[in-house]
Amino acid sequence: EPEVTQTPSHQVTQMGQEVILRCVPISNHLYFYWYRQILGQKVEFLVSFYNNEISEKSEIFDDQFSVERPDGSNFTLKIRSTKLEDSAMYFCASSEEAGDMTQYFGPGTRLLVL
Amino acid sequence: AQSVTQLGSHVSVSEGALVLLRCNYSSSVPPYLFWYVQYPNQGLQLLLKYTSAATLVKGINGFEAEFKKSETSFHLTKPSAHMSDAAEYFCAVTGTASKLTFGTGTRLQVTL
Repeated sequence: EPEVTQTPSHQVTQMGQEVILRCVPISNHLYFYWYRQILGQKVEFLVSFYNNEISEKSEIFDDQFSVERPDGSNFTLKIRSTKLEDSAMYFCASSEEAGDMTQYFGPGTRLLVL
Repeated sequence: AQSVTQLGSHVSVSEGALVLLRCNYSSSVPPYLFWYVQYPNQGLQLLLKYTSAATLVKGINGFEAEFKKSETSFHLTKPSAHMSDAAEYFCAVTGTASKLTFGTGTRLQVTL
């Protein structure tokens, strides 16, 4: 069964460093998303992406964040200058089409900023 | 705008007992509703979804949920809990092809 994959599974970085989190969505899906979950808290929406552009973003998704689909398979989230409060689990999700609404999630990347 | 309220951050049931996890939603458009399960140190797995077809939805692992528009609810049930059901359960809502709005989650504990 097709699934969303994410790399790396864990990343430790120093405050101020740039990180890139990678995702490979399900191959025929057209909508892509990033969410984060700070330890012990609920899952929060960051950004959605369709047709090579951001379709919606939350207040969390400030200028430090960017997303890209550099090729036909990868979807990346970049954090330019990490802060301690960026430590969280980051989930990528994808959905097939607008009518379906169902988002399938990857296993997540646990980011720890020291 | 959409929002979700999950009553009870922790629910404990005995093995074999009924599981009932509550979810109430608010949506300005016809909602699409989902339940996801998260096992420790794992990602989010889709349990079931309501997308405006049948109001009683069956999912994986014996779970089901009923959409009640009049009560703005989408409670998750399972007739008989199993130890392997211990996990965190998230209710989520969307009204567009964009973001899911999640509830705060309910941690289910299953005891012998």
